[in-house]
Amino acid sequence: QVQLQESGPGLVKPPETLSLTCTVSGGSVSSYNYYWNWIRQPPGKALEWIGYVYYDGRANYNPSLKNRVSMSVDTSKNQFSLKLNSVTAADTAVYYCARGKDYEFAGDYWGQGTLVTVSS
Amino acid sequence: EIVMTQTPLSSAVTLGQPASISCRSSQSLVHSSGNTYLSWFQQRPGQPPRLLIYKISDRFSGVPDRFSASGAGTDFTLEISRVEAEDVGVYYCMQATQFPYTFGQGTKLEIK
Repeated sequence: QVQLQESGPGLVKPPETLSLTCTVSGGSVSSYNYYWNWIRQPPGKALEWIGYVYYDGRANYNPSLKNRVSMSVDTSKNQFSLKLNSVTAADTAVYYCARGKDYEFAGDYWGQGTLVTVSS
Repeated sequence: EIVMTQTPLSSAVTLGQPASISCRSSQSLVHSSGNTYLSWFQQRPGQPPRLLIYKISDRFSGVPDRFSASGAGTDFTLEISRVEAEDVGVYYCMQATQFPYTFGQGTKLEIK
């Protein structure tokens, strides 16, 4: 059974950088036809796809986040990460990591989510 | 960006009765591969989303067969044949045909 777990600070000051890590167990981030997503959900609102990254670093980001987002994979630790620069209160949300599979679906296994609050 | 519009935004259903949720996309979701990457997720209170259906109508592993889905092009539907108490939550459609992937606003399902 694949499991994902988000970790990182629960409070970030504007305009600092939000950094989160997702640790994968029961599966490998190096799997060829899988990719690794970040999705967020502001309190009481709908889901927003942030982007995804493959094991080799290929990534695709939501243009709404402009140039503030980057993702990476650490195959040695079986983890992948999210960095979001210049955060504001609008970035306050529960952040989820999830696994996707090429030509199938975008999220079969999800982490429990971690609430990140942006406040000074 | 493809906009996903769900209706209704909330629904109260009697236990054992059917429920239906619609999702409409602003553009066709048919991918160049010929597949249509339309998924449905269930989010129970305080839980992460759970994949129910992918590629319009494929039920994910472990999902009860009372959940079914259909559609094509821009119009899609999720149906629950007989609602149970554990089905309470918010349901989202999501398209993964075109970047950026986008979700519907969510439909809140309650028991009447």
